[in-house]
Amino acid sequence: ILNVEQSPQSLHVQEGDSTNFTCSFPSSNFYALHWYRWETAKSPEALFVMTLNGDEKKKGRISATLNTKEGYSYLYIKGSQPEDSATYLCAFISGGYQKVTFGIGTKLQVIP
Amino acid sequence: DTEVTQTPKHLVMGMTNKKSLKCEQHMGHRAMYWYKQKAKKPPELMFVYSYEKLSINESVPSRFSPECPNSSLLNLHLHALQPEDSALYLCASSPLTGGRSYEQYFGPGTRLTVT
Repeated sequence: ILNVEQSPQSLHVQEGDSTNFTCSFPSSNFYALHWYRWETAKSPEALFVMTLNGDEKKKGRISATLNTKEGYSYLYIKGSQPEDSATYLCAFISGGYQKVTFGIGTKLQVIP
Repeated sequence: DTEVTQTPKHLVMGMTNKKSLKCEQHMGHRAMYWYKQKAKKPPELMFVYSYEKLSINESVPSRFSPECPNSSLLNLHLHALQPEDSALYLCASSPLTGGRSYEQYFGPGTRLTVT
């Protein structure tokens, strides 16, 4: 069983605050790390696909970093807006086969 | 067409019923996945089909039977389910080519209730 952990599990921030959360995963047999946003009543949607140690990706106010040697990824949201409220899932993809293991997610609520 | 569709959206079935869930994509993706998601838990991988062949079965009970008739369609046949099988069943697909080969494109899910 692969251990993919996310913290915190729940987060409330004020509109305009910046925030970040963590995904930790096994440091061996790494193929890729994905971040997804899952809004209520919608399908999870990919934010970032990260494959190389040291990768940094950015999409608007959201960015992510990857450290495969120590087995963690950070997701940052700058100047949170109410529309950022969602559950953010990370998914670890093991090398050699297509097993996708999701973390439990971080549920973010941005208070106007 | 860049979406994954799932039918039905909701399903209520008794423990002796036989029903099927359907998933379809027309993006030319060559991998398709079934996940089970219970409240406050992450999506849990059940099955993976790649190039229409079953490549991963995560020790799922035989009362769940997947089928991939062609590269666009994925079914999950349900028989003699238990109440604890009630969950959201998510389907996803991946391209299997290019730099984002395992990126999951999810459908909206089927909310299953077993009575």
